[in-house]
Amino acid sequence: DAGITQSPRHKVTETGTPVTLRCHQTENHRYMYWYRQDPGHGLRLIHYSYGVKDTDKGEVSDGYSVSRSKTEDFLLTLESATSSQTSVYFCAISDPGLAGYEQYFGPGTRLTVT
Amino acid sequence: DQQVKQNSPSLSVQEGRISILNCDYTNSMFDYFLWYKKYPAEGPTFLISISSIKDKNEDGRFTVFLNKSAKHLSLHIVPSQPGDSAVYFCAASAKKGAQKLVFGQGTRLTINP
Repeated sequence: DAGITQSPRHKVTETGTPVTLRCHQTENHRYMYWYRQDPGHGLRLIHYSYGVKDTDKGEVSDGYSVSRSKTEDFLLTLESATSSQTSVYFCAISDPGLAGYEQYFGPGTRLTVT
Repeated sequence: DQQVKQNSPSLSVQEGRISILNCDYTNSMFDYFLWYKKYPAEGPTFLISISSIKDKNEDGRFTVFLNKSAKHLSLHIVPSQPGDSAVYFCAASAKKGAQKLVFGQGTRLTINP
């Protein structure tokens, strides 16, 4: 299994509070991604990073920000959580050195905003 | 605008038989396609992939077929086993540099004994 951990694994928070989710990898992969999974939508890309301090928006980036100050860590921040951000969040990693486009996923963080 | 679609939310197959999961896409710029398998409370795991220059890729019990003219791909599992019961996602990518994936909604496969 790829060395990817996510913390916390579960979180319940109130509307309007800030939340930060952490993804940590031990694979030294260049690319890191944040997705959210919701019923009927599959996985949707929030933000991704193609190197330290290099990030870009994905399909559903509104209300989210990211930071990557080290190769191994990618943080996802909800500045002011809303109920629509209740979801399961997955981090993924990949590297240009891989033969294909495979991404390897972490175990997920279940976030509930009340 | 759903660029990758899995129109069957669920599929039930008898153990030992063939499971066929389908996926359609609309973006002709996609050049790489992947299938992921997901168990409850776990992250998706990579299963098999195919480049647009091929029409078939096989790995053990899993075979992916790509029909570019129809913008359709399918995953065949033969023979189906109880451990194959999971949600399967197809995904597609159009740019190797960023390696961004677009996922379908998923199909829940149940293998019955």
